[in-house]
Amino acid sequence: DVKVTQSSRYLVKRTGEKVFLECVQDMDHENMFWYRQDPGLGLRLIYFSYDVKMKEKGDIPEGYSVSREKKERFSLILESASTNQTSMYLCASSFPGFGTNEQFFGPGTRLTVL
Amino acid sequence: KNQVEQSPQSLIILEGKNCTLQCNYTVSPFSNLRWYKQDTGRGPVSLTIMTFSENTKSNGRYTATLDADTKQSSLHITASQLSDSASYICVVTGGGNKLTFGTGTQLKVEL
Repeated sequence: DVKVTQSSRYLVKRTGEKVFLECVQDMDHENMFWYRQDPGLGLRLIYFSYDVKMKEKGDIPEGYSVSREKKERFSLILESASTNQTSMYLCASSFPGFGTNEQFFGPGTRLTVL
Repeated sequence: KNQVEQSPQSLIILEGKNCTLQCNYTVSPFSNLRWYKQDTGRGPVSLTIMTFSENTKSNGRYTATLDADTKQSSLHITASQLSDSASYICVVTGGGNKLTFGTGTQLKVEL
């Protein structure tokens, strides 16, 4: 059974703080993704990684960075959190060929920036 | 611009009734279309994937259809249950493995 876990379900931070969101998958997937989900906007891709130490910008990378030091772990970093980054953040993983192969999602982290 | 539009935005039905959710897309070229179910407080889970040559695919009480000519898909839920209450998201894969997500249909099944 594929498992994608995220470090926190709920997180409250202050403007300007550095925020780390952690994601771990146990299925030896090469691809990992970070999305944010906002009402009326659907899921939007922030960054993805197709291998250790590799990363690609998604549709909305501004204000975010990522780190993938190990295959199973993909971190999303908000260098200086702002209120417009209040959102639900979803991590996902898949085998190569993610357009065809199913992405498996974590439960999400609801981040509130005050 | 690639777009995926879902309708209705929300829907309330009585337990045991059937319903149909719609997905229209303008993604080109088209690779595949996937329906996800997202329970409250959880990540999306795939229900079914459809490729260009497939018209209908079932997964239990869920049946997806695809008309690649009109660029429309539907998800039909038969004999709804309370556990079907969720958001249903349509995702279309285009060229270069680019995914375009719909904004979802929020379904509530009531007694």
